[in-house]
Amino acid sequence: QVQLQQWGAGLLKPSETLSLTCTVHGGSFSAYYWSWVRQPPGKGLEWIGEIHQSGTTNYNPSLESRVTISLDTSKNLFSLNLTSVTAADTAVYYCARRNSDIALVGTAFIRYNWFDPWGQGTLVTVFS
Amino acid sequence: SSELTQDPAVSVALGQTVRITCQGDSLRTYYASWYQQKPGQAPLLVFYGKNSRPSGIPDRFSGSSSGNTASLTITGAQAEDEADYYCNSRDNSGKLYVFGSGTQVTVL
Repeated sequence: QVQLQQWGAGLLKPSETLSLTCTVHGGSFSAYYWSWVRQPPGKGLEWIGEIHQSGTTNYNPSLESRVTISLDTSKNLFSLNLTSVTAADTAVYYCARRNSDIALVGTAFIRYNWFDPWGQGTLVTVFS
Repeated sequence: SSELTQDPAVSVALGQTVRITCQGDSLRTYYASWYQQKPGQAPLLVFYGKNSRPSGIPDRFSGSSSGNTASLTITGAQAEDEADYYCNSRDNSGKLYVFGSGTQVTVL
């Protein structure tokens, strides 16, 4: 059973760079997209971006200018860097695997996605 | 539109049925996935696709979709089902994944 374990610095000052890493245990690293999601205190979930084994990345346009997601296939891990943080970036950050499949509905094929499993979450606080 | 709208809160009597809805234009194109989140815990996948429930999730959780609305139904709600529930789907631009605003479910 695949498990994700994440770690990284939990306290940052404004303008610093957030760096988190997520290791994939017990499963294949390939053929999936590996994502980051965050949740500000008391608020909902926000998808940050993802990376495929091939190196292909997709980012949330609202964060794209500050986000880099990278991977190290030899170590089965992927990382998140978010530059120039502010208090608005204070959140619990989660890593997760995005899964994808296709369903035949009538005569049309519909792709669907789901996030599972998730890492345990890392609270990152930005304070001056 | 890249928004998924959920009711902020619903309540259900123990053992009764509750339906949580998620509305958005992208749901006409993509199936939703549903996540349960309890305080201090990571989200947990409870339903996805047309009719898929992860191993270990009780069969009282079911999902459906019609037009621009996806629904998660808990049939015979239990005390341990009290949590926040989020829907998720790809947005119509295909550029990002969007979560609903979340629904807090209270079991009375």
